Amino acid sequence: EAGVAQSPRYKIIEKRQSVAFWCNPISGHATLYWYQQILGQGPKLLIQFQNNGVVDDSQLPKDRFSAERLKGVDSTLKIQPAKLEDSAVYLCASSTRQEYNEQFFGPGTRLTVL
Amino acid sequence: AQTVTQSQPEMSVQEAETVTLSCTYDTSESDYYLFWYKQPPSRQMILVIRQEAYKQQNATENRFSVNFQKAAKSFSLKISDSQLGDAAMYFCAPGATGRRALTFGSGTRLQVQP
Repeated sequence: EAGVAQSPRYKIIEKRQSVAFWCNPISGHATLYWYQQILGQGPKLLIQFQNNGVVDDSQLPKDRFSAERLKGVDSTLKIQPAKLEDSAVYLCASSTRQEYNEQFFGPGTRLTVL
Repeated sequence: AQTVTQSQPEMSVQEAETVTLSCTYDTSESDYYLFWYKQPPSRQMILVIRQEAYKQQNATENRFSVNFQKAAKSFSLKISDSQLGDAAMYFCAPGATGRRALTFGSGTRLQVQP
């Protein structure tokens, strides 16, 4: 079974530029999460999808961040415009319908904003 | 809402010895699960062990076991016979049922000395 795929693995941009990250969850996983992990901290949820609908985006900075999950499969997270404090690792995770909600994580995209 | 405290930013253990990582949490959920995730350097996060809050018996997975004290809201991870490959960041994460997102602690960096 293939794991959660993410690309790119690394991205360096200047502040005020735009950037997009892509995630392909494990096949059949209906729930997809985007987490932001700032250096030295634990991951923090940005947005959760159930199929192609948003379940929780309460911590997503909507003035600059957007995300979509077309057709309920892969997902894109965009930042426009980027700020210095957006430097972090962006993790994508997916889970099945299992009660206990084990989440499977991708390798992450490390974003550096200069 | 859930909060998680991992009070040990760093721990060190000799190879083949035993180490315990602490975690305390708070939650308003009546039904929930608790997880320990491992994040090796530059590698993706993987599940170490899961505990159902409604179970009194502590979970065990090979060399990994937990000490779950529900009333005290404590969930520590014991690693026996530590190996060099155990060196990583360890995150404690409670999660409500129903495929909701996890709340991660700030992590404990475990070093294993040969």
